Amino acid sequence: AQSVTQLGSHVSVSEGALVLLRCNYSSSVPPYLFWYVQYPNQGLQLLLKYTTGATLVKGINGFEAEFKKSETSFHLTKPSAHMSDAAEYFCAVRHGNQGGKLIFGQGTELSVKP
Amino acid sequence: DGGITQSPKYLFRKEGQNVTLSCEQNLNHDAMYWYRQDPGQGLRLIYYSQIVNDFQKGDIAEGYSVSREKKESFPLTVTSAQKNPTAFYLCASSMGTRAYEQYFGPGTRLTVT
Repeated sequence: AQSVTQLGSHVSVSEGALVLLRCNYSSSVPPYLFWYVQYPNQGLQLLLKYTTGATLVKGINGFEAEFKKSETSFHLTKPSAHMSDAAEYFCAVRHGNQGGKLIFGQGTELSVKP
Repeated sequence: DGGITQSPKYLFRKEGQNVTLSCEQNLNHDAMYWYRQDPGQGLRLIYYSQIVNDFQKGDIAEGYSVSREKKESFPLTVTSAQKNPTAFYLCASSMGTRAYEQYFGPGTRLTVT
C-alpha cells in the first residue's frame, strides 16, 4: 500500500534562508509524486509533480524537488525563502490502482521569520 | 476562467441536520473528488467519481453521500449520521484516471453545533 510521511509538522526558516521540506513515500509501483501548497482557508495549489523522466523537477515560485528512488524520498527545496512562502505544504503520491486517488502526507507548516 | 467553485465558503448547521456542499467545475474534467481536512491529519478522501452516474467510496465515506448527475457537478451531502462533521471540505477534479494532478477548489468550512 502507498503511504507518505512528511518529516516535521512545523518548519521555521529566516527570510533568505534555504527551505527544505522532507517527504518520504512507500509505493509498490513506480510512484507519481506531487507537492501542493495551501494558504490559510484556501484550497490546494499544485507546486510541482514527478511522473517519469528527469528526477529533478522544477515548479512554481522557485521551488524544486528531487525524486530519489533509492531513498524513497521527494524532498522540496527553495534556495531563498520569502515571507510569502509561509503556508502549509503537502506531499502526495498517486495511488496506482484506484482512479487517480492521491494519498497525502500530514502536511508541514512553513513559517518564515523576517 | 476555468476552475472549480465551491459554495458557500462558510456553512453553519445544527446537529441532526443534513447539509449539501456544492462543487462545480468548468474544466471539462471527467474525475472529481471530495476530501475532508482536519488539523494535523492531512487530507482524507471521502468519495470520488470517474464518470457521470458512477462514484466510489473513499477512505472515510460513512455519514456522507454524493451524486454525479452531470459532468460539471459533484455535490456532497453530510448526513446526520456523520459523527463529527465539523471540518474543512475540499473538492478536486482531474482530467481522468490516467491524468496525474488534481486541481482543487477553494473549500467549504462546515461548522456543526
